[in-house]
Amino acid sequence: QVQLQESGPGLVKPSETLSLTCTVSGGSISSYYWSWMRQPPGKGLEWIGFVDYSGGTNYNPSLESRVTISVDTSKNQFSLKLTSVTAADTAIYYCARDPLSKLGAKWYFDLWGRGTLVNVFS
Amino acid sequence: QSALTQPASVSGSPGQSITISCTGTSSDVGSYNLVSWYQQHPGNAPKVMIYEGSTRPSGVSNRFSGSQSGNTASLTISGLQAEDEADYYCCSYAGSSTYVFGTGTKVTVL
Repeated sequence: QVQLQESGPGLVKPSETLSLTCTVSGGSISSYYWSWMRQPPGKGLEWIGFVDYSGGTNYNPSLESRVTISVDTSKNQFSLKLTSVTAADTAIYYCARDPLSKLGAKWYFDLWGRGTLVNVFS
Repeated sequence: QSALTQPASVSGSPGQSITISCTGTSSDVGSYNLVSWYQQHPGNAPKVMIYEGSTRPSGVSNRFSGSQSGNTASLTISGLQAEDEADYYCCSYAGSSTYVFGTGTKVTVL
């Protein structure tokens, strides 16, 4: 059974870089699109961006200038970096999988991690 | 890329049917049959209930159904049960290889 697990610091200082990793266990990271989402406390979901197994990426235009998502297939992991964080970046961060088909992305998320709360606080 | 619009809350009595709307634009919902719906209980990750507008994943109750008309997608929950009380989010393909989520709807079972 494939599982996703987010990991990283739970506290980041303003203006610094938020770094998170999602580990895929029970299956291969290949042949899927892998996304990051976030959810500020008590608020809605926001898609941040995705990386595919070959390292191709695409980002939410509203965050594109601050976001980098990368993949490490040797470790079955993908990662998120968000620079110049502010209090507005405080959220639960989720990693998730788009199941893909022979034609490409399916444009939905069939598998999610449990999420990790990141507080931006000085 | 603006969030899709959902009602903040919807409520119903056990056994009733409720419908949650998800309104986008001709650039997202209206252009693709690629709306998905997620159920999120407090403290838990979202769970997909519907994808590609009306397809239920294996294991999801057939009390959940999806539809779409123009720029608005809808999720209907029939035979409402206490366990259906949760937050629900729609999500659509928005072109240029991007996704956009809805604002979220809190479903209350009276």
